[in-house]
Amino acid sequence: EDKVVQSPLSLVVHEGDTVTLNCSYEVTNFRSLLWYKQEKKAPTFLFMLTSSGIEKKSGRLSSILDKKELFSILNITATQTGDSAIYLCAVANAGGTSYGKLTFGQGTILTVHP
Amino acid sequence: DAGITQSPRYKITETGRQVTLMCHQTWSHSYMFWYRQDLGHGLRLIYYSAAADITDKGEVPDGYVVSRSKTENFPLTLESATRSQTSVYFCASSLSIEQFFGPGTRLTVL
Repeated sequence: EDKVVQSPLSLVVHEGDTVTLNCSYEVTNFRSLLWYKQEKKAPTFLFMLTSSGIEKKSGRLSSILDKKELFSILNITATQTGDSAIYLCAVANAGGTSYGKLTFGQGTILTVHP
Repeated sequence: DAGITQSPRYKITETGRQVTLMCHQTWSHSYMFWYRQDLGHGLRLIYYSAAADITDKGEVPDGYVVSRSKTENFPLTLESATRSQTSVYFCASSLSIEQFFGPGTRLTVL
């Protein structure tokens, strides 16, 4: 059974801080790892990572994948109150009947105070 | 409007009643999914569908039924609602890996 574990489960920081969110996984036939941001509504896509060591960046957010150690990190620099959200990590399985399915972690609740 | 929609957005029902949550997408995506979201559990897959008339169980399927007669619709039915099914339900669709989520339905079972 595929498994995704995120840490920490919650995090409180002040504006301007840098945060690192962690995601470790076990999957029988790894295809990709995805990060989503969820504010008070539906999750929205941030990144998809397929290859080890290649950083993906979008503004103050960046993410990298380590397929040897089976984890990914999501970094947010110079945090703003608008970064407050639940960050979800998910893995896609490439195999057979699991094709197209995502397994999600529990999520990290990030709160950024002014 | 283009995209993925869910209805109703909010629903209160009583234990034992049948409830159907609707999901409609306009992208002609092959894959569609139903998740429930509860505090501390992230998103858990209930059922998914790879195409019309093809459905399969996810992680937590008990007490739920789905059908997919048309590509664009994927209704989820709670045959006899229980309090443990109080949750936020998200529908999603995809062509391949990245999934796009609907706005969610908040269901309360009294």
